[in-house]
Amino acid sequence: KNEVEQSPQNLTAQEGEFITINCSYSVGISALHWLQQHPGGGIVSLFMLSSGKKKHGRLIATINIQEKHSSLHITASHPRDSAVYICAGGNSGGSNYKLTFGKGTLLTVNP
Amino acid sequence: SAVISQKPSRDICQRGTSLTIQCQVDSQVTMMFWYRQQPGQSLTLIATANQGSEATYESGFVIDKFPISRPNLTFSTLTVSNMSPEDSSIYLCSVSVTGYGYTFGSGTRLTVV
Repeated sequence: KNEVEQSPQNLTAQEGEFITINCSYSVGISALHWLQQHPGGGIVSLFMLSSGKKKHGRLIATINIQEKHSSLHITASHPRDSAVYICAGGNSGGSNYKLTFGKGTLLTVNP
Repeated sequence: SAVISQKPSRDICQRGTSLTIQCQVDSQVTMMFWYRQQPGQSLTLIATANQGSEATYESGFVIDKFPISRPNLTFSTLTVSNMSPEDSSIYLCSVSVTGYGYTFGSGTRLTVV
């Protein structure tokens, strides 16, 4: 059974701080997704990665395949980054695979 | 990547009634996925909807409670039938596009009173 564990569950930071959210996953998962969910419930896909590192603006996602671990980093955090961040694991073979979701990390960035 | 329009964004419904949620995609996709997120919980897959065939339901979800339609490659509906307060959740549709990962709808926040 695929499993995804996230930490921390809750994270509070001051504006400008560097943020790290961690995700560990089990055997059988070959691609990791990082998602952002805002209070209204809508979800935005931030990254999909199966190796190495990806960067988009102030967001950086890394994955270590050997250790089955991924991290999402936010540099120079801002109150608008406040959201729930979810990692989800799937298999990279094909476009129609199922995702297994972590429970999410609630990030609050205070001004 | 694909863009999904999901409606309604929220609703408050009486127990015993049904609500139909719609998702429109701006491109043709083979499969659409329907998820439920109960308060404080992670997303759970309800079913996978394939155009031209019956949806495939996950364990714990049945067609009578969550009928799904998929009339073409850009549209799908999920109905939550005979609702009870336990059905109060966020419901999301999603598609995956090769090379782009997943795209999600904006979610439907359902409250059953």
